[in-house]
Amino acid sequence: SYVLTQPPSVSVAPGETARITCGGNNIGSNRVHWYQQKPGQAPLLVIYYNSDRPSGIPERFSGSNSGNTATLTISRVEAGDEADYYCQVWDNSILHRVFGTGTKVTVL
Amino acid sequence: EVQLVESGGGLVQPGGSLRLSCAASGFTLNNYDVNWVRQAPGKGLEWVSYISSSGKTIYDADSVKGRFTSSRDNAKNSVYLQMDSLRAEDTAVYYCAREGIGDSHRPFDHWGQGTLITVSS
Repeated sequence: SYVLTQPPSVSVAPGETARITCGGNNIGSNRVHWYQQKPGQAPLLVIYYNSDRPSGIPERFSGSNSGNTATLTISRVEAGDEADYYCQVWDNSILHRVFGTGTKVTVL
Repeated sequence: EVQLVESGGGLVQPGGSLRLSCAASGFTLNNYDVNWVRQAPGKGLEWVSYISSSGKTIYDADSVKGRFTSSRDNAKNSVYLQMDSLRAEDTAVYYCAREGIGDSHRPFDHWGQGTLITVSS
């Protein structure tokens, strides 16, 4: 089955930039979605189709995808961005949905 | 307002069965594919099952294949997850999530609040 690997944690100071990677075999040929999950809450879609933002998501959130790595970038990080972040794709061979291992973002 | 509400969670003994429901409001669920995603305590998200808008196509994760499967009743605007032969490792919060509109590789654009399943004797 298709595996998506994320760093367990990323720490960033307020106002700085956080970059969260999602590694997968030839992930650049897939379409990646990103979800934010705060404690006790359901996940929230923050980036879809690699780099599109749903309405209501700040422009500070952006995404890219190439080669074997997709990246979620959070610019000008705020305390409210502290959360777990998950990437997600479809496994093209069997059409199962797959989540990454998740990254906890800590705002220092 | 688009809402998904799960129900049917609770405590069940190993080997037992449960059926979760996912009810929609604010939109017509018939038009959308739906997934079930679970999260064990302190762990990450795990995709569990998918059902197409018509109900004709169903995919189940290898970890639950043969024990869990999705169904739907479009007349009731609801989707279900039938869970049989439950194990301790199935203990988790279960979410239903709607797939957005698109040709393929659709994201999960709306999620329910989740329902907790605890498998224990």
